[in-house]
Amino acid sequence: RKEVEQDPGPFNVPEGATVAFNCTYSNSASQSFFWYRQDCRKEPKLLMSVYSSGNEDGRFTAQLNRASQYISLLIRDSKLSDSATYLCVVNGFNAGKSTFGDGTTLTVKP
Amino acid sequence: GAVVSQHPSRVICKSGTSVKIECRSLDFQATTMFWYRQFPKQSLMLMATSNEGSKATYEQGVEKDKFLINHASLTLSTLTVTSAHPEDSSFYICSARDGKSGNTIYFGEGSWLTVV
Repeated sequence: RKEVEQDPGPFNVPEGATVAFNCTYSNSASQSFFWYRQDCRKEPKLLMSVYSSGNEDGRFTAQLNRASQYISLLIRDSKLSDSATYLCVVNGFNAGKSTFGDGTTLTVKP
Repeated sequence: GAVVSQHPSRVICKSGTSVKIECRSLDFQATTMFWYRQFPKQSLMLMATSNEGSKATYEQGVEKDKFLINHASLTLSTLTVTSAHPEDSSFYICSARDGKSGNTIYFGEGSWLTVV
């Protein structure tokens, strides 16, 4: 079993739809969590950190469920420009190993 | 925000030669940097974790004698692909971890390597 797992998708949704991705992690001692976005042939870019209390940035909401060991990313009112691959990152205890999920591909269609 | 600079962005080299890729954290000190490669339409593959002042930790299946990693300072890590072959052609990306901002990871812009 991988340390960090994501549904690879692809998720194909119409504009305006709400879409959610989950990312599960196996190490209960993991400390910090992030979502990144990667466009085709580009480097990943930080989308948002994930806090225990949940956090929101415009149309994007990230949540952490420590009991079930997963993080989620919710995108509301999807735009064409949201089409990308979304990667979750899990950092180990005390700045230990950083593990990436393989990414979930989202395609938003007109 | 934090910036990680990677150079060169594109490089073409002849088979059998070596090529060096640099990764610099521009406004923070990075005790840990990471090197990845990514083939088209595939996910990032972690090659190695680079810790300042110590030997890099390579992932299983990555040849440490072929992919030399040096992390001589808190702001610079280098990856040297030695005796490159066409199958080494790929997108190589570095990232650096900023310990002062919640261990956030910032990526370099990536380097496209083509071996001919």
